[in-house]
Amino acid sequence: AQTVTQSQPEMSVQEAETVTLSCTYDTSESDYYLFWYKQPPSRQMILVIRQEAYKQQNATENRFSVNFQKAAKSFSLKISDSQLGDAAMYFCAYRSALRGANSKLTFGKGITLSVRP
Amino acid sequence: GAVVSQHPSWVICKSGTSVKIECRSLDFQATTMFWYRQFPKQSLMLMATSNEGSKATYEQGVEKDKFLINHASLTLSTLTVTSAHPEDSSFYICSARQTSSYNEQFFGPGTRLTVL
Repeated sequence: AQTVTQSQPEMSVQEAETVTLSCTYDTSESDYYLFWYKQPPSRQMILVIRQEAYKQQNATENRFSVNFQKAAKSFSLKISDSQLGDAAMYFCAYRSALRGANSKLTFGKGITLSVRP
Repeated sequence: GAVVSQHPSWVICKSGTSVKIECRSLDFQATTMFWYRQFPKQSLMLMATSNEGSKATYEQGVEKDKFLINHASLTLSTLTVTSAHPEDSSFYICSARQTSSYNEQFFGPGTRLTVL
């Protein structure tokens, strides 16, 4: 079974600075997707970024980028120029690409990010 | 992006009553929907996966007779908490998967259930 580990329960960053959130996963599969989701106080889950395992290039979305290390099974999220609106709980998630539409998301425990003004 | 709605957003009920939560994909057809439960400051716990027109697949430890899931159409799934008890109080989130090359998954805003 696949597992996703987020070992840091909380982190804090100064506004306008950069922060990196860590995530490791375990799988025996070669084809899969990795995600970072944001859950603000409203509790609406928002997709931040997605990475396909077959792609060597790290995904980027504006101020958000990932460091995907497939061999190390590591998938960290970097948030640049942090903003107050980035304060939220962030979840790393894994999904197999082999099981089609029924494939389940496996979530990490999440990390609470606070942004200091 | 695609929109998933949930209704109600917040419900309070008495112990022993049943509560139905609706999940709708507003602008796409979802052959697969997922129901999650989340406690404060914790991760999402998958309860069941439902496919349109067939029985839901429940995760281990989730009582099928207590959490009834119906996925009657490509845009609607319902979760009914039967004979609710205070320990069922939680935040319930549905998610719908869009058929595409990525099988993108979109989340509803959640329903807060409080059982008195």
